[in-house]
Amino acid sequence: GENVEQHPSTLSVQEGDSAVIKCTYSDSASNYFPWYKQELGKRPQLIIDIRSNVGEKKDQRIAVTLNKTAKHFSLHITETQPEDSAVYFCAASPYSSASKIIFGSGTRLSIRP
Amino acid sequence: GAVVSQHPSWVICKSGTSVKIECRSLDFQATTMFWYRQFPKQSLMLMATSNEGSKATYEQGVEKDKFLINHASLTLSTLTVTSAHPEDSSFYICSAPSGGVTGELFFGEGSRLTVL
Repeated sequence: GENVEQHPSTLSVQEGDSAVIKCTYSDSASNYFPWYKQELGKRPQLIIDIRSNVGEKKDQRIAVTLNKTAKHFSLHITETQPEDSAVYFCAASPYSSASKIIFGSGTRLSIRP
Repeated sequence: GAVVSQHPSWVICKSGTSVKIECRSLDFQATTMFWYRQFPKQSLMLMATSNEGSKATYEQGVEKDKFLINHASLTLSTLTVTSAHPEDSSFYICSAPSGGVTGELFFGEGSRLTVL
């Protein structure tokens, strides 16, 4: 089955700087890669996703890149703000209308004022 | 977007008792729902896939007799933790796929179970 590895486990950046979180996956059949933000005690929220036919996707301060050959994908947050502090999870799925999603181990991002 | 509602949001029970958690898709039909478990400061671990009208599919290492899943309708899946023990204390979250081309999962609010 799919195995998703994520690093770093914790990340502290100065407000205004960029943050990068990296993930790798094992199943070459995976073609859907969402990123979730989870605040303490709350449900995960989808912040951006990418499919295997796209190498990069951007939404304001958030961007995701995908290297399908290397089975790597990354989340980039620019101009970080205090409200970006949360736990971020990458995930992978061999997408179909009912495919399960496997999560990475999570990155706790802290933004220093 | 689609809404998935989960109930109860938190529950405390005594060791040895059973607890039922409900997951409802409020404005769409879900033939499939996923149940995840999340221990403190850990990731979401998939427990099982709930299939409407048929048996659930459990992930390796998850006891099907302990975590009973019922998906009797297109809008409701239930997870029953039987004979709960303190080590079952966790955050349980259900989710349902959007069913469209996006592949997005919609999550319930989660249920925090504490077993005394």
